[in-house]
This record gives sequence, structure tokens and C-alpha cells, in this order.
Amino acid sequence: DQQVKQNSPSLSVQEGRISILNCDYTNSMFDYFLWYKKYPAEGPTFLISISSIKDKNEDGRFTVFLNKSAKHLSLHIVPSQPGDSAVYFCAASGSGTSYGKLTFGQGTILTVHP
Amino acid sequence: DGGITQSPKYLFRKEGQNVTLSCEQNLNHDAMYWYRQDPGQGLRLIYYSQIVNDFQKGDIAEGYSVSREKKESFPLTVTSAQKNPTAFYLCASSIKINSGSQAKNIQYFGAGTRLSVL
Repeated sequence: DQQVKQNSPSLSVQEGRISILNCDYTNSMFDYFLWYKKYPAEGPTFLISISSIKDKNEDGRFTVFLNKSAKHLSLHIVPSQPGDSAVYFCAASGSGTSYGKLTFGQGTILTVHP
Repeated sequence: DGGITQSPKYLFRKEGQNVTLSCEQNLNHDAMYWYRQDPGQGLRLIYYSQIVNDFQKGDIAEGYSVSREKKESFPLTVTSAQKNPTAFYLCASSIKINSGSQAKNIQYFGAGTRLSVL
């Protein structure tokens, strides 16, 4: 039972354009969502997060949108840069779940072409 | 330099052997976690510990064991009972950040250990 899903295994974008990565969840108890970026053979790096009391959070080139009714979140990267090429994971946690437990999606490989 | 250190970076296990992966943090975080990543999959939680001398099973704890004798350290042992141990293992730690009525949990990760079977 996959509670957090990233249905696009990969995404290819031209440098300077917008990258949109999507994530869906099924557990209505999730109330905090995070995006991580991961390079091969390295640990994930925290990018940005959003709590369920908000529908948007912005940090520089990165914006996360949350649609609670659709149980959907997305990460927008504008403008995309070649250094953004990595695997992006969304993760979720909830007050109804064991404290600190994050549930991860399968990841989306983003490739930004120069 | 604060952070999470995992060692070794690469590890090989022989048939029937137990191996231990090290995870040390100097971030003064209370909680620590072990995840496993397989190709094309997300991270799956093996064990986690919210406080010293206490830990809980995650989603895939069978064949693994942990200890938490010190706040800074959370070693993971892959036992011979784990029949498919080849994977990338990631350790993380976190501090609980209270923001109003919502607690945030941002986990910070080490660089990982790649375990292979000989």
C-alpha cells in the first residue's frame, strides 16, 4: 500500500524553463510534507517543506503547492538549472502516525538540459 | 563541522555473516533513523529511535537490529536472517521543531553505505 506516490519516474526540462514535479498521497492524517533532492551515491538533502495549514511555500527558485482536497502536492523549480538534475523525493508525516516517521515516494529523476 | 557520518561507504557481506553499519551525528538531535533504498524505489524505514535506550521497528525491520546507547550513535546490524541485504543504507537524524500546534520533523541524512553480498 503506497501512501505517497510519484507517478512520473522521470522528467526532462530545458535550462531556464519551469520544472514541475508531482506527488500524490492517500493518508488524510498526513499534515506535513517535504521535498528532498538526491544525487547518486549521496544522502538526500532537504529542499523545502509545507504544512497542511498552508497551500504554498516559496524559497528562492523553489515553490511547493499543496492541494489538500486533491491530496496532491507539487514542486516548481523556476528557472531550472543543469545543477538541479537529481532525483527528487517527496515525503509526508502526520500527527496521527508515529512521531518522526516519514513516508517517501519512489522519486522522480529530473534532467535539466543546457 | 556538524553533520551525520556514516561508515563505511562500501561494505561487503559474506554468506551467514552479520555486519554493522555505523552512524554518528554531532547535531545534538534526539531522533535517529535507518532507511534502505533499492533501485527505482523510495526510502523504506527500517528502525528509528526517538531517545537514547529506546527504538521502534519501522516498516521493514526483519533481519535487522539496532542499539541506541548514546545520543550521538545509532548503529545498524544486518544479520544473516536478512536474505536480501544488497541495498543503499541511509541514516538520518532530526530535531522536533514546534510551530504553533504543528510539529515539524525535518530529517537530515548521512552520505549512505552501499552494502553488497559476496
